[in-house]
Amino acid sequence: QKEVEQNSGPLSVPEGAIASLNCTYSDRGSQSFFWYRQYSGKSPELIMSIYSNGDKEDGRFTAQLNKASQYVSLLIRDSQPSDSATYLCAVNRPTGGGNKLTFGTGTQLKVEL
Amino acid sequence: DGGITQSPKYLFRKEGQNVTLSCEQNLNHDAMYWYRQDPGQGLRLIYYSQIVNDFQKGDIAEGYSVSREKKESFPLTVTSAQKNPTAFYLCASSMIYTGTEAFFGQGTRLTVV
Repeated sequence: QKEVEQNSGPLSVPEGAIASLNCTYSDRGSQSFFWYRQYSGKSPELIMSIYSNGDKEDGRFTAQLNKASQYVSLLIRDSQPSDSATYLCAVNRPTGGGNKLTFGTGTQLKVEL
Repeated sequence: DGGITQSPKYLFRKEGQNVTLSCEQNLNHDAMYWYRQDPGQGLRLIYYSQIVNDFQKGDIAEGYSVSREKKESFPLTVTSAQKNPTAFYLCASSMIYTGTEAFFGQGTRLTVV
């Protein structure tokens, strides 16, 4: 079982719609969770972090965490063509040698005009 | 300006040669990470380091080596033992605590010719 799993997509949504991206993780010891956006050929940029159960909102983005279900999601409201990118879920958990930050394979989002 | 600098941006290597990728940060971050990304794939963890003179193998460490002699620097050597070294290599850093976010350099695109 992979440590972090995401549906690779592509996920296509019309402009102005809500895009919903999902991620599951395997290790219950995981403590912090992040969403990164990556444009083609570029390095990932952090868009959301979440540490406790519930919702966290930042502008058009809402991250949701359910530790009991080992599930993290990202909602993007009023999707814009500029949101078209790959979204990477990342999970951080402590190990004997430090904090291990593991990424999923990413979900490609396409926002259509 | 604070940030993470990877060099070079593009690198070409002949088969059988070792090559070293540079990663320097001036963010005073304790933790540093190296990832590999193949086309259309997510990030796979190669090595990570929490403190100077200590580092841990990630999920795909075979064929790679690292050193952490200074807090600011975490160079990655791709050795001739790495069978498929052509990839996009990303370095990241964060504070030591699991709740803090990681930030990325611009990446190095390595091609074996």
